[in-house]
Amino acid sequence: DIVMTQSPDSLAVSLGERATINCKSSRSVLYSSNNKNYLAWFQQKPGQPPKLLIYWASTRESGVPDRFSGSGSGTDFTLTISSLQAEDVAVYYCQQYYNTPITFGQGTRLEIK
Amino acid sequence: EVQLVESGGGLVQPGGSLRLSCAASGFTFSTYSMNWVRQAPGKGLEWISYISFGGGMIHYADSVKGRFTISRDNAKNSLYLQMNSLRAEDTAVYYCARDWETSSRYRGLPNWFDPWGQGTQVIVSS
Repeated sequence: DIVMTQSPDSLAVSLGERATINCKSSRSVLYSSNNKNYLAWFQQKPGQPPKLLIYWASTRESGVPDRFSGSGSGTDFTLTISSLQAEDVAVYYCQQYYNTPITFGQGTRLEIK
Repeated sequence: EVQLVESGGGLVQPGGSLRLSCAASGFTFSTYSMNWVRQAPGKGLEWISYISFGGGMIHYADSVKGRFTISRDNAKNSLYLQMNSLRAEDTAVYYCARDWETSSRYRGLPNWFDPWGQGTQVIVSS
């Protein structure tokens, strides 16, 4: 199984500041045949289901604010929120879909400082 | 509007069975692959099963293989999860989630999930 490890487990950032969440996979999730990274990011607010933010490691889902961006390749990935807003308080998960079983990171809790 | 609504959760004794349903609307259900994902209380996300748009390809997580069965009825726009031999560690909110994969972009494996239903709570306890 591909193990996804996020860091940090929790993060407190001031409003308007940058938030960075890291995700590391135990094996590369880059498919050489199409040069795509099989990595997605989700946001989950309390009492709600997860919401898709990013897929293919860096493609923003339609309707997601452009302050959210994804980067990285191979085994190391980053979700960046360029200017934190109050509504961004949530738990964030990375997910690999390179192969089964699909696996998620343990989650990073983002709070306002 | 794309909508997924789960039902069928509840309290069940260890060793018991439950059947979850997911009613889909707002999109052509028969062309999309689907998944079940669960979240134990206060814990992270665990993918448990995938079924292709036509039902011909199915995958399970090892934690549920042999106990859970995923199925779908495209005529009824519905996804199901039959859960047998339930254990305390199966206690979770169960989400159905639409896969990126469709009949025109088929990989035969789960991808990313969007959207997700609101979830149904399953509690396994005596």
